[in-house]
Amino acid sequence: AQRVTQPEKLLSVFKGAPVELKCNYSYSGSPELFWYVQYSRQRLQLLLRHISRESIKGFTADLNKGETSFHLKKPFAQEEDSAMYYCALKGGGTSYGKLTFGQGTILTVHP
Amino acid sequence: DAMVIQNPRYQVTQFGKPVTLSCSQTLNHNVMYWYQQKSSQAPKLLFHYYDKDFNNEADTPDNFQSRRPNTSFCFLDIRSPGLGDAAMYLCATSRDGAVDYNEQFFGPGTRLTVL
Repeated sequence: AQRVTQPEKLLSVFKGAPVELKCNYSYSGSPELFWYVQYSRQRLQLLLRHISRESIKGFTADLNKGETSFHLKKPFAQEEDSAMYYCALKGGGTSYGKLTFGQGTILTVHP
Repeated sequence: DAMVIQNPRYQVTQFGKPVTLSCSQTLNHNVMYWYQQKSSQAPKLLFHYYDKDFNNEADTPDNFQSRRPNTSFCFLDIRSPGLGDAAMYLCATSRDGAVDYNEQFFGPGTRLTVL
């Protein structure tokens, strides 16, 4: 079974402070991990995926297989980063398929 | 803009009265998904279509059915809605065989209320 845990439902930081949204997963095979974001009144959209090793809007996430974690980090948070963030896992080895989502973390960046 | 469209955005139905939610896409993606998201919970996959092939999740209740008459449209039918079926229903699409790992594109969702 695949499982994603985001331990923090709410996270508040001030503008310019570093932010880390935690994600841990459970999966017996080789996982694909994603971060999806939902800004206020917008649809859920992909932020980044581990395979691309990319930085999007200043966010990065490193897959740590030893700790089974995929934490999302940004060194200097901005007010426009305020949103709901979901960590998601896809298993199965195909290029399509079920995403298992974590419960989500609401990030609020205060001015 | 190419996108995933869901209609209606808000749907109210009565307990036990069948209801259909609609999803359409202009992305020409071959995979379409239906997720259920209850309040303060994670989205949960109900089923997906790979082209015309229907794939049901093991724990999806029989009360939920789906139809995909063509590439662009997919419907979610709830045969006898119960109070516990009140939720946001999200449609998503993806393209199999993408060089980069598959991104799922989500619609805005339909919020279902059961009275």
